[in-house]
Amino acid sequence: AIQMTQSPSSLSASVGDRVTITCRASQGIRDDLGWYQQKPGRAPKLLVYAASTLHSGVPSRFSGSGSGTYFTLTISSLQPEDFATYYCLQDYTYPLTFGGGTKVEIK
Amino acid sequence: QVQLQQWGAGLLKPSETLSLTCAVHGGSFSNYCWTWFRQPPGKGLEWIGEINHSGKINDNPSLKSRVTISIDTSNNQFSLKLGSVTAADTAVYYCARGVCGWGTHYFDYWGQGILVTVSS
Repeated sequence: AIQMTQSPSSLSASVGDRVTITCRASQGIRDDLGWYQQKPGRAPKLLVYAASTLHSGVPSRFSGSGSGTYFTLTISSLQPEDFATYYCLQDYTYPLTFGGGTKVEIK
Repeated sequence: QVQLQQWGAGLLKPSETLSLTCAVHGGSFSNYCWTWFRQPPGKGLEWIGEINHSGKINDNPSLKSRVTISIDTSNNQFSLKLGSVTAADTAVYYCARGVCGWGTHYFDYWGQGILVTVSS
């Protein structure tokens, strides 16, 4: 199975900060990657698919980039509602596999 | 508006079979892959498997063939069975709608999640 390595595993940031989360794949996955946001006790929510396509209704402060083995999710100006855990998910091949998650906490 | 509503037993004993169902309200039931995920308490997400409207199934080999996924197109429902459960199967289980096409595979609607605990 393809291993997805996310970093950092956690970070502390302030409202208004620019935040970047990275995800590396153990082999090339083209742009077959999505990003999901999860808040405690809630189901994950789709943010980005195909590495850089913003899902409908997701604020434009979120952006995704990358292809092959290296991907990033950037939040251009962190808002209070963005404090959550973020996961990448490769859908290049079965079994689909997630990164370990990045918890974004308030500084 | 699409909604996924899931239900099933929340407490099992070791060796029993986990059984969950997810009903899809709103939207088309065709042309999507209906998917199960799980998340052990305090841990990350795991893809369990999926079924499309034609009944084609893909599942996670890590679950060692314990998974059965089925679909009931007449009632817009799909189900998960996981056999021979152990404490390691304790998790919140989610159902989700997958948009699965050529080069595309993402999950835009999710169920509310059910905590399934395996304990003797």
